[in-house]
Amino acid sequence: DAGITQSPRHKVTETGTPVTLRCHQTENHRYMYWYRQDPGHGLRLIHYSYGVKDTDKGEVSDGYSVSRSKTEDFLLTLESATSSQTSVYFCAISEGTGDPLAKNIQYFGAGTRLSVL
Amino acid sequence: GQNIDQPTEMTATEGAIVQINCTYQTSGFNGLFWYQQHAGEAPTFLSYNVLDGLEEKGRFSSFLSRSKGYSYLLLKELQMKDSASYLCAGSDYKLSFGAGTTVTVRA
Repeated sequence: DAGITQSPRHKVTETGTPVTLRCHQTENHRYMYWYRQDPGHGLRLIHYSYGVKDTDKGEVSDGYSVSRSKTEDFLLTLESATSSQTSVYFCAISEGTGDPLAKNIQYFGAGTRLSVL
Repeated sequence: GQNIDQPTEMTATEGAIVQINCTYQTSGFNGLFWYQQHAGEAPTFLSYNVLDGLEEKGRFSSFLSRSKGYSYLLLKELQMKDSASYLCAGSDYKLSFGAGTTVTVRA
């Protein structure tokens, strides 16, 4: 299994509070991603990173920010949580370089279940 | 971006074969992925097609036709443990996922 750790695994918070989710990898992969998964919508990309301090927005980035100060860590922050951000959040990684058939395969962490009350 | 379309649910009997279809419309294309996701767990990688044709991995096979924007995942000799959601994802260097097909395997 790819070495990806998400923390916390479960969190309950109140509307308006800031929340930070952490993704830590031990694979030294270049690319890291944050997704949310909701019933009927599948996995939707929030933000991704293609290197230290290099990040870009996905399709559902409003209300979220990210930071990547080290190769191994990618943080997702909800500046002021809302009930619509109740979801399961997955981090994923991919090599981004090397074997053309392998470099784009994404491997997922176990997920964080977030409830905003 | 990509529009990915796959059926919502399928049911099959243990030992049977099931084919999950996926159609996509892309503004750029760099491959078609299939993932398996058991309830409450993370998606796990099954297969990746870049070129047209069939890729076989044991009981699972995946097919791609780029000209038709079409792929399928074939699950053979179904087992109870194959009950899961199967996610089709198109790649233009970022993945765009379909909503997933829930496969239920009955005894």
